Amino acid sequence: EIVLTQSPDFQSVTPKEKVTITCRASQSIGSSLHWYQQKPDQSPKLLIKYASQSISGVPSRFSGSGSGTDFTLTINSLEAEDAAAYYCHQSSSLPLTFGGGTKVEIK
Amino acid sequence: QVQLVESGGGLVKPGGSLRLSCAASGFTFSDYYMSWIRQAPGKGLEWVSYISSSGSTIYYADSVKGRFTISRDNAKNSLYLQMNSLRAEDTAVYYCARVPIYSGQFDYWGQGTLVTVSS
Repeated sequence: EIVLTQSPDFQSVTPKEKVTITCRASQSIGSSLHWYQQKPDQSPKLLIKYASQSISGVPSRFSGSGSGTDFTLTINSLEAEDAAAYYCHQSSSLPLTFGGGTKVEIK
Repeated sequence: QVQLVESGGGLVKPGGSLRLSCAASGFTFSDYYMSWIRQAPGKGLEWVSYISSSGSTIYYADSVKGRFTISRDNAKNSLYLQMNSLRAEDTAVYYCARVPIYSGQFDYWGQGTLVTVSS
């Protein structure tokens, strides 16, 4: 099973700051890494697919990078509405797995 | 617009059974793979099961293999999860999610249905 380790677990950030969340895979997964945002009491929403591919309707301040075992989700100029938990997910091999999540709080 | 609406959750005793449904609309259901993902209260996401567009290919997480059965009815635009021999650790919100063919991401999620296993 591929283990995805996210860091940090929690981040408290001021609006307009840049946020960087990392996801490390226990073995190489190529670019088969996707990012989701889950706001309180809502279902997850796809933000980035295949490490760096943007999703229609998602604000351009969200971007992804990486390949192999190390991946990054970047939120440029954080807005209040970005308070949420963020999860990475790998689709390289079964069982499909998720990272433990990163909670982003707005100061 | 794409809509996925889960139903069938509730309170069930350990060892009991429950059948979840996911009604799909706004897209051609038979063109997509589908999956169930769950989230225990206050915890992260856990993939449960996956079914191909035709229903011919199915996968399960080890934690539910032999107890849960995924199925779909493309004529009814519906996805199902039959859950037997339920345990306390199965308590979670269960989401259905859409997976584009030949892709790996969950591009749309339902709002979820809560399953509580308790005596």
